Amino acid sequence: AQTVTQSQPEMSVQEAETVTLSCTYDTSENNYYLFWYKQPPSRQMILVIRQEAYKQQNATENRFSVNFQKAAKSFSLKISDSQLGDTAMYFCAFMSPTNQAGTALIFGKGTTLSVSS
Amino acid sequence: KAGVTQTPRYLIKTRGQQVTLSCSPISGHRSVSWYQQTPGQGLQFLFEYFSETQRNKGNFPGRFSGRQFSNSRSEMNVSTLELGDSALYLCASSRQADPTDTQYFGPGTRLTVL
Repeated sequence: AQTVTQSQPEMSVQEAETVTLSCTYDTSENNYYLFWYKQPPSRQMILVIRQEAYKQQNATENRFSVNFQKAAKSFSLKISDSQLGDTAMYFCAFMSPTNQAGTALIFGKGTTLSVSS
Repeated sequence: KAGVTQTPRYLIKTRGQQVTLSCSPISGHRSVSWYQQTPGQGLQFLFEYFSETQRNKGNFPGRFSGRQFSNSRSEMNVSTLELGDSALYLCASSRQADPTDTQYFGPGTRLTVL
């Protein structure tokens, strides 16, 4: 069974600084997708960034980028120029689109990120 | 375009009762998935529906069931409620049941079982 581990329950950073959230996963699949979702306090969860395992190039979305290390099964999220609005819980998620799993997301336990001024 | 809506937003029930939660996906989306979020277990997958068919089910007891209607709206039902069923129930919709489609989450239904 696939598992996703986020080893940092809480992190804090100051505005304009850079922070990296860690995520490791375990799978025997070769074709899969990895995601970072953001859940702000009392607000809806939104997709931050997506990585397809067969793509070697790391995904980037504005201030958000990932470091995808397939052999190490590591998928970290880097947030540059942190803003107060980045304060949220961040979830790393895995999807293996097999017939059995469909498009079910397997989530890590989350990292609560606090950005202060 | 309206986002994913879930009703009701808050619900209080007592042990042994049953409950039905509703999810209306974004217009044009045909896939709906349900997740349970608790402080202890985190986010866990419940079901996935596409075109009125259940494609996949998570590791939950048979008390948890769901369905999807022809307009893609989905309901989930929990019978014989237990204290441990207290959770935030999230639904997510996507255009197709395809991993390249973004899943858009609703605000959730907060269920409290007393």
